[in-house]
Amino acid sequence: GAGVSQTPSNKVTEKGKYVELRCDPISGHTALYWYRQSLGQGPEFLIYFQGTGAADDSGLPNDRFFAVRPEGSVSTLKIQRTERGDSAVYLCASSPERTNTGELFFGEGSRLTVL
Amino acid sequence: GEDVEQSLFLSVREGDSSVINCTYTDSSSTYLYWYKQEPGAGLQLLTYIFSNMDMKQDQRLTVLLNKKDKHLSLRIADTQTGDSAIYFCAEIPYGNNRLAFGKGNQVVVIP
Repeated sequence: GAGVSQTPSNKVTEKGKYVELRCDPISGHTALYWYRQSLGQGPEFLIYFQGTGAADDSGLPNDRFFAVRPEGSVSTLKIQRTERGDSAVYLCASSPERTNTGELFFGEGSRLTVL
Repeated sequence: GEDVEQSLFLSVREGDSSVINCTYTDSSSTYLYWYKQEPGAGLQLLTYIFSNMDMKQDQRLTVLLNKKDKHLSLRIADTQTGDSAIYFCAEIPYGNNRLAFGKGNQVVVIP
């Protein structure tokens, strides 16, 4: 499809395990964002890539969270030593380098449940 | 700051109008946005308003912006069952490259 693709759509893991979440942005979009959405809350910014580099990672909650985008396209969000509080829907969004309006195009999210 | 505040829940009868409100803190945001999130789906941009405008009409949607009070509202005319969703207002605070979202308003349309 032509939209932002995220895998897996659902992930259940045990406390302390390592998790990777993948985002495949819209082809040609240079900007890529990760957000986290907890139940009943709005999306919370985690990290923003422009190309291959993390332009802003100020939203990552701690050093257990890390994200990469080695070729400037697909991105992987990595969570080490997962905790129950990491349970949320992780949203990925992309946008062209220059937009008139700053519109972001979101994927459907990866729902992470930490038992 | 990046605080965007919204009230939580609204039920409305099909065919009626619904109004969702939002307050924001960063008066230097160039655009303000309304995103829609349907159950099990990703967020989708519904409409936006440029900060030098007071009002924007887009088919059944009317966006009102009061910059003095930092208040944004979305009116949906002739609300339909497909409008049932969570609506988020959002802004890009000055000096940032990312959207800051409110907590969202859940709108439930009663047939």
